[in-house]
Amino acid sequence: EPEVTQTPSHQVTQMGQEVILRCVPISNHLYFYWYRQILGQKVEFLVSFYNNEISEKSEIFDDQFSVERPDGSNFTLKIRSTKLEDSAMYFCASSVGPNIGEQFFGPGTRLTVL
Amino acid sequence: GNSVTQMEGPVTLSEEAFLTINCTYTATGYPSLFWYVQYPGEGLQLLLKATKADDKGSNKGFEATYRKETTSFHLEKGSVQVSDSAVYFCALDTRKGNTGKLIFGQGTTLQVKP
Repeated sequence: EPEVTQTPSHQVTQMGQEVILRCVPISNHLYFYWYRQILGQKVEFLVSFYNNEISEKSEIFDDQFSVERPDGSNFTLKIRSTKLEDSAMYFCASSVGPNIGEQFFGPGTRLTVL
Repeated sequence: GNSVTQMEGPVTLSEEAFLTINCTYTATGYPSLFWYVQYPGEGLQLLLKATKADDKGSNKGFEATYRKETTSFHLEKGSVQVSDSAVYFCALDTRKGNTGKLIFGQGTTLQVKP
C-alpha cells in the first residue's frame, strides 16, 4: 500500500542552524502539506503546496520557512535559522486533491533544537 | 476563527469497555469533520469522516455523528480492544480557498488495558 515517508525520523540541531526535512508523498498525489505539533499542543497547519507553488500558509510559516519540490518526488521543508521554539514533530501529508478523499500523513520528523 | 476542542487525556479503559471521546468545534460555514488516529511510531490515519450535518461516519467499530446544533463530533466505540490504544485527533477542514487545510484538536491518548 502506498505511503508517505519522511526522513530523518529524528533531527537534532543547534539553534541558528539550517535544517531540511524531507518527505516523499504518494506518487499520484498533487497536493502537499506540512503540519507541526509542539509537544503537548495541537497539530498545526503550516503550509499547503500545489503546482509548484504555495496555496496557503499559516502565520507560523514566516520568512524562516520555505518549501520545495525539487525533483518531482521529494517535498522538503527548510528552516533557515532554527529557534528553540521550532522544536516539534513535523508531519508531511499529501492528497489527490483538496477536499477530495483524505490527506495521507507521514510518520513525522521529530526536530529538537538545542 | 475555526477551532477544535477535544477532551483531555489520557483516557484509560479496560478491554470491552465503552469509549467516548468528546470533540466540539467552532467554524464558519459548513466544514467537514474528521477523526484521525495515530498508532505508536506511525503517521496520522483517517479513521472516519462526515461531510454534512447528521451524517454518521463509521469505521472499525468506531462511530461519530455530525451534530450541527451542538457543534459536536464525539467519537464512540461500543467495545474497545487493546489494539485501539493510540492517540485520536478530531479535525475539520476549513473549505477556504479549496486548499484542504485541516484544523486539529490537541489529541486524546487512549490506553486500553487487558
